[in-house]
Amino acid sequence: ETGVTQTPRHLVMGMTNKKSLKCEQHLGHNAMYWYKQSAKKPLELMFVYSLEERVENNSVPSRFSPECPNSSHLFLHLHTLQPEDSALYLCASSPGTGIKAFFGQGTRLTVV
Amino acid sequence: GESVGLHLPTLSVQEGDNSIINCAYSNSASDYFIWYKQESGKGPQFIIDIRSNMDKRQGQRVTVLLNKTVKHLSLQIAATQPGDSAVYFCAEIRSGTASKLTFGTGTRLQVTL
Repeated sequence: ETGVTQTPRHLVMGMTNKKSLKCEQHLGHNAMYWYKQSAKKPLELMFVYSLEERVENNSVPSRFSPECPNSSHLFLHLHTLQPEDSALYLCASSPGTGIKAFFGQGTRLTVV
Repeated sequence: GESVGLHLPTLSVQEGDNSIINCAYSNSASDYFIWYKQESGKGPQFIIDIRSNMDKRQGQRVTVLLNKTVKHLSLQIAATQPGDSAVYFCAEIRSGTASKLTFGTGTRLQVTL
């Protein structure tokens, strides 16, 4: 248990569906992140939030939409995804940006 | 382009032996490095970190060595156990990109009995 909880753990969705991934951290951290992990690729940073403000958006397609309503919660809203978006989506948090991050267990997403 | 890379995709080690996992980086502006362990079906787990003003740091059964001259980082695991079997990632944070943790592709450590 790392203090970062992601739900759901597994998700199968069609290309026309809309779904959301949820992340909650119980560590009192100020920064939260979304990463994508595909097979045989390095972890790709998608979004960074610091004190609920988005500080980085790494050219992620608009079909991925993040939301950070407070410093403990982070969402990733998904719509009209493609099969190549199938991956493990990892949420992480850190006390501030620029220091070690702690990861959740991830959501295994399959787009059919 | 600039990257954080790992020398070997798979490392097989006998139980009880020491493991050494290597990582190369190309950006001399990188000033903070982290090792993560990822077991199957789980998220990456923090192991140990080191700043560029250090060349060695020790944890419980693990040691990280940093050689800035050749831009090389290594993770040493003493008395490797079956529970150490996982994929190990090195990651860097570069000066001026305080929010961006850049990961390598990972090395799979297999512990044989």
